[in-house]
Amino acid sequence: KNEVEQSPQNLTAQEGEFITINCSYSVGISALHWLQQHPGGGIVSLFMLSSGKKKHGRLIATINIQEKHSSLHITASHPRDSAVYICAVRMVRGGSEKLVFGKGTKLTVNP
Amino acid sequence: DGGITQSPKYLFRKEGQNVTLSCEQNLNHDAMYWYRQDPGQGLRLIYYSQIVNDFQKGDIAEGYSVSREKKESFPLTVTSAQKNPTAFYLCASSTGGRSWPQHFGDGTRLSIL
Repeated sequence: KNEVEQSPQNLTAQEGEFITINCSYSVGISALHWLQQHPGGGIVSLFMLSSGKKKHGRLIATINIQEKHSSLHITASHPRDSAVYICAVRMVRGGSEKLVFGKGTKLTVNP
Repeated sequence: DGGITQSPKYLFRKEGQNVTLSCEQNLNHDAMYWYRQDPGQGLRLIYYSQIVNDFQKGDIAEGYSVSREKKESFPLTVTSAQKNPTAFYLCASSTGGRSWPQHFGDGTRLSIL
């Protein structure tokens, strides 16, 4: 079983829809990251969370430490939001802190 | 603007040849990282360097080598010992004291012919 599971794997939405992408992890973590990978391959860091909720523009990220679950929400989605969204968790492995990545959720927003 | 430059964007090599991927940053970051991305898989850490002239193996270092002679540069060599080198390679960096990347490059797609 993967330590970081994202769902759904693929998501298609119409412009303006509310989007939710989920991330679950299996062990205790020190923080969780949400990343956006553009169609060209470059990656941008969106959020880093250790508790609660963060908001930036139309993006909202939440985390529930007890349930080992995080969600990334996009309000009023737009075609330019089309990208792969990646969840990554920071955990201690082998005595040092590591970043373990999910497989990503590919979002397509149609006009 | 500060950032990470990876070159080239696409790279083709014949099987059995070594190939070096370039990564340069002008963010004045101490730490640099190399990740490999395969279809349907999460990013995996190949090597990382927290400071000049020092680097550590990541989870999948076999068949790869790196150097860190300058703070700005962290080239990755994919050797002929790497059994399946065709992949997307991402370079990243962060300020000192962190163990996770803050900035990523645009990646190099390596294809072995």
